[in-house]
Amino acid sequence: QKEVEQNSGPLSVPEGAIASLNCTYSDRVSQSFFWYRQYSGKSPELIMSIYSNGDKEDGRFTAQLNKASQYVSLLIRDSQPSDSATYLCAPRRSGGSYIPTFGRGTSLIVHP
Amino acid sequence: DAGVIQSPRHEVTEMGQEVTLRCKPISGHNSLFWYRQTMMRGLELLIYFNNNVPIDDSGMPEDRFSAKMPNASFSTLKIQPSEPRDSAVYFCASSLGQKDPLHFGNGTRLTVT
Repeated sequence: QKEVEQNSGPLSVPEGAIASLNCTYSDRVSQSFFWYRQYSGKSPELIMSIYSNGDKEDGRFTAQLNKASQYVSLLIRDSQPSDSATYLCAPRRSGGSYIPTFGRGTSLIVHP
Repeated sequence: DAGVIQSPRHEVTEMGQEVTLRCKPISGHNSLFWYRQTMMRGLELLIYFNNNVPIDDSGMPEDRFSAKMPNASFSTLKIQPSEPRDSAVYFCASSLGQKDPLHFGNGTRLTVT
């Protein structure tokens, strides 16, 4: 089993819709969870972090974490064409020599 | 905050040549990472430093790759000799602590012909 799994997509949604991006991870000791957005030809940029079970909202973005199910998701409300990018999930364990691992990412396309 | 600074932005070289990529992490960040990104393999971690000490280099492809971090504000990734299959975008990232998010530089796009 891969450490971090994401549907590669592309996920295509109409402008104004809710985009739902999912991620499962295998390391039960992961404590921090990050979502990065990567535009084509650019570097990944952090958009959300979540550390506790439940939901965390920031503007149009909501991250949801369920540690028991080893599942983290990102919801984007009122999707805009500017949200079109690849979204990378990255769980991280604190301490030791744990290597932060990124999923392959989900490509999101928001069409007008 | 200038962010993570990488140089050069683009590098085109011929097979067999030495390539050196440079990175300046965010001031105060204790961890530094070198990643390689390709369409086929996604983001792969090459090596991870904590407090300037290499913690894990198991992602380094082979002996042609080496990385150093002589001080807290500078790191290099060297490829010698370079091969066409090394063509990729190389990212440097830093983080404040071991459970904190990574901040990426703009990357170096390497093309080996």
